[in-house]
Amino acid sequence: EVQLVETGGGLVQPGRSLKLSCVASGFTFSSYWMYWIRQAPGKGLEWVSSINTDGGSTYYPDSVKGRFTISRDNAENTVYLQMNSLRSEDTATYYCVQIAYWGQGTLVTVSS
Amino acid sequence: DIVMTQAPLSVSVTPGESASISCRSSKSLLHSNGITYVYWYLQKPGKSPQLLIYRMSNLASGVPDRFSGSGSETDFTLKISRVEAEDVGIYYCGQLLENPYTFGAGTKLELK
Repeated sequence: EVQLVETGGGLVQPGRSLKLSCVASGFTFSSYWMYWIRQAPGKGLEWVSSINTDGGSTYYPDSVKGRFTISRDNAENTVYLQMNSLRSEDTATYYCVQIAYWGQGTLVTVSS
Repeated sequence: DIVMTQAPLSVSVTPGESASISCRSSKSLLHSNGITYVYWYLQKPGKSPQLLIYRMSNLASGVPDRFSGSGSETDFTLKISRVEAEDVGIYYCGQLLENPYTFGAGTKLELK
C-alpha cells in the first residue's frame, strides 16, 4: 500500500521559515518524480514544486521561486520542502504527491 | 501559464444518472510524444484529492470504470456514468505538460 505521510506544518509568523517532510512507502521512491501541491482554505489546488528522481532538477512557480526549496533523500524515502520568508498567502494545506497518490496533507498557517 | 477552465462550476445529479464535466486548456496539452497531459482528480469532502484519470483517458488504479476521460488537444471531458453517493465532491482537471502545472477551479458535484 502506497503511503505518503507529511509532517512539519504548524503556525508560523510572517517572514519566518518552516520545513516540511514527507516519508513515502509502498513504491520504489527513487523511481518517481515528487511534487508538493497546496490548497488554501476553501480554495483550489496550486502546484508548488517538483523534483526529479535523483534530485538534480527542481521546478517552482513564480509565487514561491527563491523562497521555497524542494529536496529529497532517496536513501530515506523522504522529500522535503524548505519554506523561507513565509507570507500570509502561503497559508494552506500542503500535500506531498507522487503523480498517482496524495498524502493526507499538513496545514501551514502564516500569521502573527 | 496554461489556463484550465472548467464548466460547470457545480452540477446536481440524480443517483443512477450520468454527469459530464468539461475542461478547456488555453494551449494544446498534446506532447510531441503523442501523450496528452491532462489529469482528473476528485476531492471528496474532508479528504485529500485522488487521481481518477491520467493522460486524458487512462483510468487510475482502483477507480471504477463508471469514470472515463476523453478529449482533444485543448478540450477535455470527464464522464461519470451511473452516479453514486460516493462520487460527491469537487472534481479538478490539471495539466502536467509544462511548468507551472495548473489546475481548473473545480466542479462541485452534488446529488439531487
